[in-house]
Amino acid sequence: EVHLLESGGGLVRPGGSLRLSCAASGFTFTSYAMSWVRQAPGKGLEWVSTITDTGDNTFYADSVKGRFTISRDNSQNTLYLQMNSLRAEDTAVYYCAPGGPDYWGQGTLVTVSS
Amino acid sequence: QSVLTQPPSASGTPGQRVTISCSGSNSNIGRNFVYWYQQLPGTAPKVLIYKNNQRPSGVPDRFSGSKSGTSASLAISVLRSEDEADYYCAAWDDSLSGVVFGGGTKLFVL
Repeated sequence: EVHLLESGGGLVRPGGSLRLSCAASGFTFTSYAMSWVRQAPGKGLEWVSTITDTGDNTFYADSVKGRFTISRDNSQNTLYLQMNSLRAEDTAVYYCAPGGPDYWGQGTLVTVSS
Repeated sequence: QSVLTQPPSASGTPGQRVTISCSGSNSNIGRNFVYWYQQLPGTAPKVLIYKNNQRPSGVPDRFSGSKSGTSASLAISVLRSEDEADYYCAAWDDSLSGVVFGGGTKLFVL
């Protein structure tokens, strides 16, 4: 059974930083591109970033480019999202998702507020 | 403004068939697989359809997906009250180099 466990969310002040992690199991992690997708309160789904299966290539939404960095550790089946210079509009539940996405975790809430 | 266009709402009565549309372009739906997700209130999205028309195990065969050109559709036959939820379509976009989502369709079961 596929299991995706996001962690690292919390309350942070504008301009602050957070690092999200996603521990994956139940599928061949190294065979999947991995993405972060977020959902602001009461809003729809928004793609944030994708990293290829080998980690060689990364892609970012314009809204986070230059502030967020996606990475992965294939030896640990773990996905990361380093978030810097956080803004109020980054407040959302962040989901990690492999493939299309093909599966979804339960998400971790990031709240950016003073 | 979402890259993929979905109707904001849809409705039907129990037992009816409902279809939700998703319109895109050559750079996304026209070239790549379409995915459909169901999101019940307060929960994470769940995959209903992957790779245009494939159903994960555990998803009832009342749900089906189709794609034609730059548009896709999700059909729910024999509508049930528990189908009341938000539905999203998604696809990779070659021009944007990212996943694009529809704005979501809120389905009401009357």
